[in-house]
Amino acid sequence: QVQLQESGPGLVKPSETLSLTCSVSGDSISPYYWSWIRQPPGKGLEWIGYVYYSGSTNHDPSLKSRVTMSVDTSRNHFSLNLKSVTAADTAVYYCARSRTGQYFDFWGRGTPVTVSS
Amino acid sequence: DIQMTQSPSSLSASVGDRVTITCRASQGISKYLAWYQQKPGKAPKLLIYAASALQSGVPSRFSGSGSGTDFTLTISSLQPEDVASYYCQKYNTAPLTFGGGTKVEIK
Repeated sequence: QVQLQESGPGLVKPSETLSLTCSVSGDSISPYYWSWIRQPPGKGLEWIGYVYYSGSTNHDPSLKSRVTMSVDTSRNHFSLNLKSVTAADTAVYYCARSRTGQYFDFWGRGTPVTVSS
Repeated sequence: DIQMTQSPSSLSASVGDRVTITCRASQGISKYLAWYQQKPGKAPKLLIYAASALQSGVPSRFSGSGSGTDFTLTISSLQPEDVASYYCQKYNTAPLTFGGGTKVEIK
């Protein structure tokens, strides 16, 4: 059974960079797509982007150039960097797997991130 | 970008009732639609993909239908464990957009 586990700081200061890692166990990183999805408090789900096992990426245009994603196949994990954060980036961040870059069949439990000074 | 609109935003129904949730896309997406269930404090769980295909392990009381712009998720007989928020998600092209969600409660 595939398991995903998010890790990273729970508190980030405004204007700094939010960095999260998702560790994958029970299966290989390849040949899947790995997404980051977030949920602001009391709100719905927002797709941030995905990284393919090869390293290619795609992300929501609304996040412009703030998003960087990478994958480390040797360590079976992938990462998210979101720079220049504001309070609007406060959310629970989930990592998730998709076979085809489409829908998400396995999710991590989520990690809360607060942006505050 | 294509917008996904769900209705209603919340509903209350009795155990055993048939419940229907609607998701509308602002442009046609063929059958590239998934449905998720999210219980309070938990990660979302995939219920339906390709508009009507039931994910392995999901109870058969859940079903999906539709194509193009209009889709429905139906719970044929609501159970107490179905209390959750439900989200649709389109995936014909990126960005992979979710609907605003529907909160289902027991009356």
